[in-house]
Amino acid sequence: AQKITQTQPGMFVQEKEAVTLDCTYDTSDPSYGLFWYKQPSSGEMIFLIYQGSYDQQNATEGRYSLNFQKARKSANLVISASQLGDSAMYFCAMRAGANNLFFGTGTRLTVIP
Amino acid sequence: DVKVTQSSRYLVKRTGEKVFLECVQDMDHENMFWYRQDPGLGLRLIYFSYDVKMKEKGDIPEGYSVSREKKERFSLILESASTNQTSMYLCASSPNTLNWVGYGYTFGSGTRLTVV
Repeated sequence: AQKITQTQPGMFVQEKEAVTLDCTYDTSDPSYGLFWYKQPSSGEMIFLIYQGSYDQQNATEGRYSLNFQKARKSANLVISASQLGDSAMYFCAMRAGANNLFFGTGTRLTVIP
Repeated sequence: DVKVTQSSRYLVKRTGEKVFLECVQDMDHENMFWYRQDPGLGLRLIYFSYDVKMKEKGDIPEGYSVSREKKERFSLILESASTNQTSMYLCASSPNTLNWVGYGYTFGSGTRLTVV
C-alpha cells in the first residue's frame, strides 16, 4: 500500500526567507516517482518538481529543490527566497509500481511581507 | 495554452439532481482521472480511465459514475446529488508511457460544486 504523509497543515515564512515543506512516503515498490504540486487560491494544480527513486542527485527547478533522503523515505520541498506569490497549498504526491498518483493532505504556506 | 478544461468553475445544484461534470483535454493523453478535494483529506481518486469506453474505480467511487465516449473527454456523473458531495472536483490527464512513474498529471482548474 502507498502512503504519503504531510505533517504540517500550515506554515508561515517571511518574504525572501527559505522554507522547507515536509513529506514522508511509504511504498514497497522499488521504482517510484515523487512529485510536488502547488495549488493557488484559483484552484489549478501546478506541477513544480519531480524526483525518481533511482535518481542519484536531488532535483532542482529554479527556486524549488527536493531534499530526497531515500533511507528515511522523505522528500521535502525547499523553496528558497520566498515570494508573496508562493502563498498557496502544496501537495506531495507519489506514483509507484502500476498505481496511480497518490496525494498527501497538503500544507498551506503563507508568505508574510 | 489551455490543456485540460473543466466546463464549469462553480456549480450549485439541488439535492437529488443528476449532475454532469465535463472535462476535455487537448494533449492526446490516454489516461484521464477524476479527483475530489476536501480540506484535511487532500485529493482522493474517484474514477479513472485508460482508454475510450474504459473505466476503473478509484478509492471513493460510491455515488459517482463516469463516461468516456471520446479520447479527449471524460465526464463525471453524480446520479443523485447529495450534500456530502459538496466539494472541489479536479480532472487530470497523463500519457501512457513505459516510464510510468516518471509522469505526473496535468490538471484542470477545478469545479467547485455546492449541493444544497
